[in-house]
Amino acid sequence: ETGVTQTPRHLVMGMTNKKSLKCEQHLGHNAMYWYKQSAKKPLELMFVYNFKEQTENNSVPSRFSPECPNSSHLFLHLHTLQPEDSALYLCASSQVGGDYGYTFGSGTRLTVV
Amino acid sequence: GQQLNQSPQSMFIQEGEDVSMNCTSSSIFNTWLWYKQDPGEGPVLLIALYKAGELTSNGRLTAQFGITRKDSFLNISASIPSDVGIYFCAGQLRGNSGAGSYQLTFGKGTKLSVIP
Repeated sequence: ETGVTQTPRHLVMGMTNKKSLKCEQHLGHNAMYWYKQSAKKPLELMFVYNFKEQTENNSVPSRFSPECPNSSHLFLHLHTLQPEDSALYLCASSQVGGDYGYTFGSGTRLTVV
Repeated sequence: GQQLNQSPQSMFIQEGEDVSMNCTSSSIFNTWLWYKQDPGEGPVLLIALYKAGELTSNGRLTAQFGITRKDSFLNISASIPSDVGIYFCAGQLRGNSGAGSYQLTFGKGTKLSVIP
């Protein structure tokens, strides 16, 4: 596996379900990010982890709970979501102080029913 | 905070035409990046610019880092159907000591449609 891998690619969940999104980066980067992308809206930064420490939480509702057990893995735990949470969730990684910006995964298309 | 204005928001062009889009910022960056996002996929880096005035090409794509460090443009020549997608600009101010200095600021994207 190379680059940034996100699973699952598609997820349909009910409002009472609990699910998790997974992101894994194989680039040796030390920062990881969660973004939300809704239809006709710009990329919204949700969470930033730098060396496994959360350095930013962009006023995200508590029904989204991130976890970063090590610098290669990032999770987004979901519970009691709302239909307006349906979106493409993108994970990205970067090397702090390095070049070339972020490398994105292919995203998880989440539908809340 | 820093804001990026990306224009146009969307464009429809005939196959074979050239395309131009740009980003302007309220403050300076020392890195400009251009990404392309295909439908249902994550953004992929197209071009990175690290110096004011720099002009860089990647195949049919050409991007420039503005002299003022507050703007950048992307040109696509002789467009083809696979150029369809959303193009994002992103600015970065590397080397700052503050928290989040490595973070990118993204534009809202330019949605490109190519008519065969």
